[in-house]
Amino acid sequence: NAGVTQTPKFQVLKTGQSMTLQCAQDMNHEYMSWYRQDPGMGLRLIHYSVGAGITDQGEVPNGYNVSRSTTEDFPLRLLSAAPSQTSVYFCASSYLGDSYEQYFGPGTRLTVT
Amino acid sequence: RKEVEQDPGPFNVPEGATVAFNCTYSNSASQSFFWYRQDCRKEPKLLMSVYSSGNEDGRFTAQLNRASQYISLLIRDSKLSDSATYLCVVILTSNNNDMRFGAGTRLTVKP
Repeated sequence: NAGVTQTPKFQVLKTGQSMTLQCAQDMNHEYMSWYRQDPGMGLRLIHYSVGAGITDQGEVPNGYNVSRSTTEDFPLRLLSAAPSQTSVYFCASSYLGDSYEQYFGPGTRLTVT
Repeated sequence: RKEVEQDPGPFNVPEGATVAFNCTYSNSASQSFFWYRQDCRKEPKLLMSVYSSGNEDGRFTAQLNRASQYISLLIRDSKLSDSATYLCVVILTSNNNDMRFGAGTRLTVKP
């Protein structure tokens, strides 16, 4: 049981480049989400999904797209990277409902120059 | 005003000390409360849920004060391994997507 996995661990992009951050979970969780973590700020929700084929925006969705074609996978796409997107990105999953533990992946450290 | 506020610290305490962190939240209708722990350059992990009646897990005690809109975490007999950042998490409604994270309180336990 690998839990939540993310790739890559580190990435450097130039302004304007696009890329996809991968996230997968093997716990059959309905709920998956992407957060970004910046110094001095709490984790902020980018996009989330409550099941395959269903996605919605979180607090800070601009500049990012997601899709959920399977229960297991939830990739995050940066359409045209900007320096303001330099951050640590965490994918998380859980069962639906507010009382369930969120399981986080190990994170992707992204730098946009 | 931030929805969830924490003292960023750092708190530097000796081994064996008792340390307490507070976290305030702005939305009085918030429904669920948690403490997560995040080690340096690692992902957050659930430490404990916070119940209205208060709850204890070994050396850790969590309390909720709805009237004053704060939650607290007390760590007794601190260990070196308790060094981490502690994140306060508030869920505004019954939806997972309404989780709000504090920026975290950093704790360093010294020998």
